[in-house]
Amino acid sequence: DGGITQSPKYLFRKEGQNVTLSCEQNLNHDAMYWYRQDPGQGLRLIYYSQIVNDFQKGDIAEGYSVSREKKESFPLTVTSAQKNPTAFYLCASSPGDRNTGELFFGEGSRLTVL
Amino acid sequence: KQEVTQIPAALSVPEGENLVLNCSFTDSAIYNLQWFRQDPGKGLTSLLLIQSSQREQTSGRLNASLDKSSGRSTLYIAASQPGDSATYLCAVRSDMRFGAGTRLTVKP
Repeated sequence: DGGITQSPKYLFRKEGQNVTLSCEQNLNHDAMYWYRQDPGQGLRLIYYSQIVNDFQKGDIAEGYSVSREKKESFPLTVTSAQKNPTAFYLCASSPGDRNTGELFFGEGSRLTVL
Repeated sequence: KQEVTQIPAALSVPEGENLVLNCSFTDSAIYNLQWFRQDPGKGLTSLLLIQSSQREQTSGRLNASLDKSSGRSTLYIAASQPGDSATYLCAVRSDMRFGAGTRLTVKP
């Protein structure tokens, strides 16, 4: 079945460590996104990519990095520079333009800093 | 900068009631608006997508309307069921803004 796969589902990090969250889609969508969700708040955009080898910062990109080497894959690295990384991270994709295509989401990855 | 507000933050109703969830946005220049459902600890499931040229969309017991001039969208759920219990979020597709959601509980 077509969909978006995020891994791992749960991740624990010690302070000072970088961690990478995986996002893979087989929907043949052009655009991919990373969002962060904190309790009681709406989703906030970290990074998005409209095409391979190109990506743009969202509202809260500081302390995060991404790559888009393949159309199907959009991994997110949470670096040690991110001061409050404990959150629920959601990957999404959409066909075509970032403003018009229907958004589809993965099941999320929960990161906890110990 | 677009701001999206969902009121109420939480809602509890008895099974069988018809209910309305609200989504307000400050900038009417939007491309479309999408409603999602989120179960605890899960990702978002798309419910309805309304293009800016449309007034409403329907899927089963769900009906979503869009009034750009007033900056409002409503999600109508008919004959609510306990399985409808979840958080409902709206996303305004200009600047990709999400509301904080309405947490719905439907009691048997």
